[in-house]
Amino acid sequence: GQNIDQPTEMTATEGAIVQINCTYQTSGFNGLFWYQQHAGEAPTFLSYNVLDGLEEKGRFSSFLSRSKGYSYLLLKELQMKDSASYLCAVRDGDKIIFGKGTRLHILP
Amino acid sequence: ETGVTQTPRHLVMGMTNKKSLKCEQHLGHNAMYWYKQSAKKPLELMFVYNFKEQTENNSVPSRFSPECPNSSHLFLHLHTLQPEDSALYLCASSPPRGGGEQFFGPGTRLTVL
Repeated sequence: GQNIDQPTEMTATEGAIVQINCTYQTSGFNGLFWYQQHAGEAPTFLSYNVLDGLEEKGRFSSFLSRSKGYSYLLLKELQMKDSASYLCAVRDGDKIIFGKGTRLHILP
Repeated sequence: ETGVTQTPRHLVMGMTNKKSLKCEQHLGHNAMYWYKQSAKKPLELMFVYNFKEQTENNSVPSRFSPECPNSSHLFLHLHTLQPEDSALYLCASSPPRGGGEQFFGPGTRLTVL
């Protein structure tokens, strides 16, 4: 079956670093996405990994290991505006399968 | 401005009503998607269109009927819905196949009474 797991909630402190993990089991794999979604808003794209390794983009980095079915999103120098849900999603052909999202709380 | 617009933003309808949701993208993409987002559930893919052809129907009940007249417009026709269909309906677009991020519209918040 198709399954994507990520923690339901995490809490971190402003200025710190947080790592959000995602594991997946899908019948096919054409890439993994991370999206950010603020409450009441649409998801916005953060990163895309199709090959193993780390992709860095400013304060955000995303890592993929296809052999382990594992990815993480690393957020550095956390800011209050980073309080949001972070969605892990896998593309399998024309299908995009989303995880339930990780609700990240940032404490001052 | 994401380049993907959806109307209406909010919709309240009775179970016997017929209504339609509209999505329009100005990004030159060829793939468009309908998603349903309910509280406490993952984002659920409903339909995928590539070059106006439906390529994915994720076991969606027939009371939801999609229409894609061209690569820039996507509709979701609703009839005889149930209260459990109340959710946020999101439209997205992307370049066809081979990866590429999806751009989401702001969504239509649907309430079925």
